Amino acid sequence: DGGITQSPKYLFRKEGQNVTLSCEQNLNHDAMYWYRQDPGQGLRLIYYSQIVNDFQKGDIAEGYSVSREKKESFPLTVTSAQKNPTAFYLCASSWDAKKGAFFGQGTRLTVV
Amino acid sequence: DQQVKQNSPSLSVQEGRISILNCDYTNSMFDYFLWYKKYPAEGPTFLISISSIKDKNEDGRFTVFLNKSAKHLSLHIVPSQPGDSAVYFCAASPDYGSGNTGKLIFGQGTTLQVKP
Repeated sequence: DGGITQSPKYLFRKEGQNVTLSCEQNLNHDAMYWYRQDPGQGLRLIYYSQIVNDFQKGDIAEGYSVSREKKESFPLTVTSAQKNPTAFYLCASSWDAKKGAFFGQGTRLTVV
Repeated sequence: DQQVKQNSPSLSVQEGRISILNCDYTNSMFDYFLWYKKYPAEGPTFLISISSIKDKNEDGRFTVFLNKSAKHLSLHIVPSQPGDSAVYFCAASPDYGSGNTGKLIFGQGTTLQVKP
């Protein structure tokens, strides 16, 4: 079955460490996205990529970095510069103009 | 600056009754809107959408209404079922016209509880 795989589902890191969240899709979608969800808030866009080797900042890109070396993969690095990294991170791809984004199952990152 | 707002954090309805979830937006340039449903610790799933050229779109038990002059949309679920209990997010697609359709601006979400 086609889909988006985010791994791991739960991730713990110590403060000051960089951490990379994986996102892989086998849907052959060109565009991919990273969103962040905090309790009681909607999803906010971190970064997106509409094509391989190209990506743009979203609304809250500070403290994050991404790469898009392959169509199938769009990893997100949460750097030590991100002041509040603990959150639920969602990767998505764009599949149908009328349906917006297709989301993975998410990774809950906890920084202690 | 919250461009898409869901002012009701929660809603509780009885099974079989109508659920009405509301959403307001501030940018009159938005021309496409979507509703997503989300369970805890899972990604949101698409529910229904509407273009600004329409004022209503229906899909089974779900109907979305758009009032452009009021910059307001609502999702009606009739009849509500216990399985509908989830968080519902309203979203605007600011780049819909340019094809960047996964770029969305979300509201804060409304938690719907449908009681048996």
